[in-house]
Amino acid sequence: GAGVSQSPSNKVTEKGKDVELRCDPISGHTALYWYRQRLGQGLEFLIYFQGNSAPDKSGLPSDRFSAERTGESVSTLTIQRTQQEDSAVYLCASSLAGVVGSSYEQYFGPGTRLTVT
Amino acid sequence: GENVEQHPSTLSVQEGDSAVIKCTYSDSASNYFPWYKQELGKRPQLIIDIRSNVGEKKDQRIAVTLNKTAKHFSLHITETQPEDSAVYFCAAKKTSGAGSYQLTFGKGTKLSVIP
Repeated sequence: GAGVSQSPSNKVTEKGKDVELRCDPISGHTALYWYRQRLGQGLEFLIYFQGNSAPDKSGLPSDRFSAERTGESVSTLTIQRTQQEDSAVYLCASSLAGVVGSSYEQYFGPGTRLTVT
Repeated sequence: GENVEQHPSTLSVQEGDSAVIKCTYSDSASNYFPWYKQELGKRPQLIIDIRSNVGEKKDQRIAVTLNKTAKHFSLHITETQPEDSAVYFCAAKKTSGAGSYQLTFGKGTKLSVIP
């Protein structure tokens, strides 16, 4: 079936502008994660959604970052007033985490490469 | 919260040799340990995982070992091939209780296999 998709694949924006990144998880996956990956670095957890529960926003680096998810479908990550240090690849992942007997595997999307000039 | 340390950060091996990447974790409640491979410009993909009820798991040329007492686990790749060149990430998570959804990743190991 279709995997996790993200759009846009690349985004170049000017410092101070807002950007919105989109993630389409695998159908039926209840859990959705956003990560940030700076060049040559590891995966930095940003936010987690599980079904209709309140999201875990503990990884968001500042109040300029926010994310939404409608039910168990699409999620959007919004960065307001972008800064150069926001330049990174933003990865989305989904999984069946929380479903009894399911795999814990996280399936990643291809990422959105954000460049703030 | 959980903290995962990964070593080495870079590793170069000759084709055909073995590669070993090691990780330690801090939360004794963690009981699921996956390894992800990320090729240049690609998304991370799961290559093997292990749960705490076993000490070793093998899948062809790759294997993972787990020592729960010492809180460390390792990835072993035998007969390395150029296509094994990638960044490898270890991770750890609990499967029940508070925070059990969160997968904590190591910082990655860049493996280069020299032909």
